[in-house]
Amino acid sequence: GENVEQHPSTLSVQEGDSAVIKCTYSDSASNYFPWYKQELGKRPQLIIDIRSNVGEKKDQRIAVTLNKTAKHFSLHITETQPEDSAVYFCAAGDDKIIFGKGTRLHILP
Amino acid sequence: NAGVMQNPRHLVRRRGQEARLRCSPMKGHSHVYWYRQLPEEGLKFMVYLQKENIIDESGMPKERFSAEFPKEGPSILRIQQVVRGDSAAYFCASSPLRDEQFFGPGTRLTVL
Repeated sequence: GENVEQHPSTLSVQEGDSAVIKCTYSDSASNYFPWYKQELGKRPQLIIDIRSNVGEKKDQRIAVTLNKTAKHFSLHITETQPEDSAVYFCAAGDDKIIFGKGTRLHILP
Repeated sequence: NAGVMQNPRHLVRRRGQEARLRCSPMKGHSHVYWYRQLPEEGLKFMVYLQKENIIDESGMPKERFSAEFPKEGPSILRIQQVVRGDSAAYFCASSPLRDEQFFGPGTRLTVL
């Protein structure tokens, strides 16, 4: 079945440094790749998404890249801040999206 | 435009009882998805519905679980004869067409 692998499961970075989270997916029919941020006890919130007709998208400190040939995509957060600490989920699909298991990001002071 | 609404936010049931979770999508959204999240884990797809139709229920357990999205009213996720392993957060999400999904606040089910 469809599968999305996400790495690393935990990531600690110094405040101000960059964080990178990587995902791979198995379903070549996937056309939509969103990233969600979930703070403790709260709902997942969409932070950025990319569709398969583009290779890269940027929104202020957040950027996503997509390599459809290799079936992987990644999230880059630059100049990290304490409020970036959360769990981040990648997902891939079309009508139905499959989520990765999440990356717990810790921003160290 | 109110966001996705879910109720109740917290639900406690004893083993063997029924749990009914409700989800009202955002106005204008005709696609509803249900997910289950165990503590410290990811979001597991359960079911995808449109009005009066189940589009994909490949993530639903074969027994005890059912979902509906009637022409009028909220989407309902129903769990019969709950067991302790059903304890989790259940999130619904809605979208206007396909792709971008907006999540509700979740229902936290505790089975005693």
